[in-house]
Amino acid sequence: AQKVTQAQTEISVVEKEDVTLDCVYETRDTTYYLFWYKQPPSGELVFLIRRNSFDEQNEISGRYSWNFQKSTSSFNFTITASQVVDSAVYFCALSEAYSSASKIIFGSGTRLSIRP
Amino acid sequence: GAVVSQHPSRVICKSGTSVKIECRSLDFQATTMFWYRQFPKQSLMLMATSNEGSKATYEQGVEKDKFLINHASLTLSTLTVTSAHPEDSSFYICSALSPGGRNTGELFFGEGSRLTVL
Repeated sequence: AQKVTQAQTEISVVEKEDVTLDCVYETRDTTYYLFWYKQPPSGELVFLIRRNSFDEQNEISGRYSWNFQKSTSSFNFTITASQVVDSAVYFCALSEAYSSASKIIFGSGTRLSIRP
Repeated sequence: GAVVSQHPSRVICKSGTSVKIECRSLDFQATTMFWYRQFPKQSLMLMATSNEGSKATYEQGVEKDKFLINHASLTLSTLTVTSAHPEDSSFYICSALSPGGRNTGELFFGEGSRLTVL
């Protein structure tokens, strides 16, 4: 069965600090996709990244970086020099690559608060 | 801009009435759409998979007679909450699978619809 665990329910840091959001997943599939989404207070889901299970290269996009470790089934997300606008709920998610519907299973989310 | 649009974004209704939420893919034809439900401060739970021209596939525990899904065209799926009750109050989010994305998980999410049943 697929499962995504985000152990950190809430994180609060002061602006400009770096913060890492943890994500651990479980799947029996050898091919799968991992995602991170941001959900600001307005409610819409903002796509941040999708990573193929065969691609373990870490990725950096501006202040965002992702660390994919297949050996530990983790896909952690780091925000460098955090800003107040980064305050949101962040969801890690997993989908099977070859399922008939490519359903996405979401973690429980981490609520990130950046204090000025 | 948004490639998946939901309407209405907010709806308040009386208990016992039915409410329809629309999900439209604006830039592509979507043979598959998904409906999620999110309770306050909780994660998104998949309710059902909507397939154009066929019956929706519901997740375990979701009442198909309560949550009617119709995917009548390649750009529109609707979710109707029938005989709504206060416990149906929630944030409903749809997503659409882009062409060529069937095996890649390329999903686009709508803005969500917040339903409040009085």
